[in-house]
Amino acid sequence: DIQMTQSPSSLSASVGDRVTITCRASQSISSSLNWYQQKPGKAPKLLIYVASSLQSGVPSRFSGSGSGTDFTLTISSLQPEDFATYYCQQSYSSWTFGQGTKVEIK
Amino acid sequence: EVQLVESGGGLVQPGGSLRLSCAASGFTFSSYWMTWVRQAPGKGLEWVANIKQDGSEKHYVDSVKGRFTIFRDNAKNSLYLQMNSLRAEDTAVYHCARLWSTRIDVFDFWGQGTKVTVSS
Repeated sequence: DIQMTQSPSSLSASVGDRVTITCRASQSISSSLNWYQQKPGKAPKLLIYVASSLQSGVPSRFSGSGSGTDFTLTISSLQPEDFATYYCQQSYSSWTFGQGTKVEIK
Repeated sequence: EVQLVESGGGLVQPGGSLRLSCAASGFTFSSYWMTWVRQAPGKGLEWVANIKQDGSEKHYVDSVKGRFTIFRDNAKNSLYLQMNSLRAEDTAVYHCARLWSTRIDVFDFWGQGTKVTVSS
């Protein structure tokens, strides 16, 4: 099974900050990597697919990069509505998620 | 607007059974693979099962094989998860999601989930 490891597990940031979350796969997954945002009690929301493609309707301050085993989700200027938990997910072999990164208000 | 609404969760004793439902609307249900993903309390997301458009192909995570069955009724735009021999570790919020097969598989729309608690 492919394991996905996110870092950090949580972070505190201020509105306007640039935020970077990393995701590492236990083996190469090419670009088979998606990013989701989840707010408490809500359904997860797709942000980025195939490592760097922005889902329709998602603000352009979100971006993704990487291939192989190392991937990054970047929020260029954190907004109040971005405080949430973020998950990476690989679709290369079956489907597994990272443990999540909680973005909190500083 | 794509909508997925789960129902059927509740409190069940270990060894018991439960059937979850997911009502889909706003898209051609019969054209998509569908999936169940669960989230244990305070934990991350775990893929549980997938089913092909016509129900002819199904995949399960190892921990539920032989206990859970995913099925669908395209005439009713509905997805189901029959859960038998439930264990405490099955306690979670269960989300249904649409599987969009672009260059890779993506879970592009999700429901809010239904809570399952397995406890005596």
